[in-house]
Amino acid sequence: EIVLTQSPATLSLSPGERATLSCRASQSVSSYLAWYQQKPGQAPRLLIYDASNRATGIPARFSGSGSGTDFTLTISSLEPEDFAVYYCQQRSNWPPVYTFGQGTKLEIK
Amino acid sequence: QLQLQESGPGLVKPSETLSLTCTVSGGSISSSSYYWGWIRQPPGKGLEWIGSIYYSGSTYYNPSLKSRVTISVDTSKNQFSLKLSSVTAADTAVYYCARHILSLITIFGVVTPIPDAFDIWGQGTMVTVSS
Repeated sequence: EIVLTQSPATLSLSPGERATLSCRASQSVSSYLAWYQQKPGQAPRLLIYDASNRATGIPARFSGSGSGTDFTLTISSLEPEDFAVYYCQQRSNWPPVYTFGQGTKLEIK
Repeated sequence: QLQLQESGPGLVKPSETLSLTCTVSGGSISSSSYYWGWIRQPPGKGLEWIGSIYYSGSTYYNPSLKSRVTISVDTSKNQFSLKLSSVTAADTAVYYCARHILSLITIFGVVTPIPDAFDIWGQGTMVTVSS
């Protein structure tokens, strides 16, 4: 099973700052990596798929990069509504198996 | 717009079978462009994929749950369902249904649609396993 490790576990920043979240895979997942945002009491929301493609309706301040084993989600300038938990998720090539990272909590400093 | 809604009992006894249904509205579950999946989240913990299904009935399951999981689709009702047998307290979680976007890959020379990321989610339903 491919394990995803997210860092840091908690990130404390202020609105307007730049956020950089990391996700590392235990083996290569090519570009099959997605990022989700989850707020308390809500379902996750897809932000990025295939490592760098923004999902429909996602603001341009969210961007994803990386391939292989190392991936990054960047939020260029934090808005108050961006403070939430972020998960990465991978799909193994064949057969498809999906695993999630343990999450990074982005909190207001 | 497309919406997904989970339904089913909120309380299940240990050793029994958990049964949930996801009703799709605002679109057809028979679209060849999507797979449909189940994901769960224990209280205060992370996300775990359970399994996914195509309108044709093709399924993929989490290997760690495969022996206890059955996912089925009813295109006439625009629904897909989850059954998880022999439940224990460890199966207590919020259960989400979700839509997959698709990728195309070539397996043994055949172009095959493969479920990719989850782009639309239901609101989730809490299931507690307790006597």
